Amino acid sequence: GAVVSQHPSWVICKSGTSVKIECRSLDFQATTMFWYRQFPKQSLMLMATSNEGSKATYEQGVEKDKFLINHASLTLSTLTVTSAHPEDSSFYICSAPSGTSGTDTQYFGPGTRLTVL
Amino acid sequence: SQKIEQNSEALNIQEGKTATLTCNYTNYSPAYLQWYRQDPGRGPVFLLLIRENEKEKRKERLKVTFDTTLKQSLFHITASQPADSATYLCARGFQKLVFGTGTRLLVSP
Repeated sequence: GAVVSQHPSWVICKSGTSVKIECRSLDFQATTMFWYRQFPKQSLMLMATSNEGSKATYEQGVEKDKFLINHASLTLSTLTVTSAHPEDSSFYICSAPSGTSGTDTQYFGPGTRLTVL
Repeated sequence: SQKIEQNSEALNIQEGKTATLTCNYTNYSPAYLQWYRQDPGRGPVFLLLIRENEKEKRKERLKVTFDTTLKQSLFHITASQPADSATYLCARGFQKLVFGTGTRLLVSP
């Protein structure tokens, strides 16, 4: 099946710094990717939709200036957490659909564990 | 808002038995319900998708049902194995997904 990778798998940073997380579709192209966040013992929450060549669309309550998304190519989307604070510590997961229209399956990356000190 | 509820936080069963997990939704029926498996510290893995007009879907030892009257989907794993131990997530939607909190399944030998 299709593979989605994320880098890094975990990151620890100081409060106030910025962190970039990469999401790559390894063997297929994705014009759309999705970013989710998961706090411990909670469900995945959709943060934003990343669109290749255009602006990302953000879910209600997600600050677009804090979570910068860039989808520069058909296989790469990046999420930058700017001026990170401890409350941003979470598990960030991306997904991308692969398949012909109407049969798309969502493939999720392995996730990135962010810890902000 | 459209919610997905998985009321059982955990389910323990013996190997060989059938595990049945429940997913309930609010408001209108979603066009799609999906089930995923998530292992600790990993991203979800797609298992099955069922459409609103389908009553049942099967794949190997897995079976999903969709009951629009009860606003519920059931997920069954027959002949369960310890390797099936994981958290199972229900989600509504096709690409932009709304997830439930998951049910942690533990299959004991």
